[in-house]
Amino acid sequence: AQKVTQAQTEISVVEKEDVTLDCVYETRDTTYYLFWYKQPPSGELVFLIRRNSFDEQNEISGRYSWNFQKSTSSFNFTITASQVVDSAVYFCALRENTGTASKLTFGTGTRLQVTL
Amino acid sequence: KAGVTQTPRYLIKTRGQQVTLSCSPISGHRSVSWYQQTPGQGLQFLFEYFSETQRNKGNFPGRFSGRQFSNSRSEMNVSTLELGDSALYLCASSSGLSEGGYTFGSGTRLTVV
Repeated sequence: AQKVTQAQTEISVVEKEDVTLDCVYETRDTTYYLFWYKQPPSGELVFLIRRNSFDEQNEISGRYSWNFQKSTSSFNFTITASQVVDSAVYFCALRENTGTASKLTFGTGTRLQVTL
Repeated sequence: KAGVTQTPRYLIKTRGQQVTLSCSPISGHRSVSWYQQTPGQGLQFLFEYFSETQRNKGNFPGRFSGRQFSNSRSEMNVSTLELGDSALYLCASSSGLSEGGYTFGSGTRLTVV
């Protein structure tokens, strides 16, 4: 069965600090997709990134970067120079390639608090 | 492109009642998935509909059901509500292709009293 672990329940940083959110996953599939979502207090899950299992290139998007390492089954997310607007709950999710059927398995989320 | 629309945003129901939640996916998307989010259990998959057919189902009792219409809009129904059904219900819109991403709506916050 697939599983996603986000060991950090809550992280507090001061604005402008860099912060890394950890995500470790388990799957028996060789083809799968990994996602990161941001959930602000309004409740909507905001898509940040999708990565398939064959693409181990790290990605940078502005202040956001992602480090995908299949060898350690990790897909970590770093925010550089954090800002108060980054305060939210962040979820890592896994989707196995089960043919036509699909579902996301989410981690328990990491609450990020950025203060001035 | 219009986003994913969930209605209503908030709902208060009494134990034993039933409730219907609605989700309109992004135009052109044929897959709608539903998730339940609670503080205790986190985000859990309920079911997925694709072209009016349930394609996948999570581990929830039969009180939770859904359907999808020909225009891809989906409804989720919970019968005989229990206090534990209080949660944020999120729907996700997708093309339904294996490489497709998921766009979530703002959710319906259900409170059962």
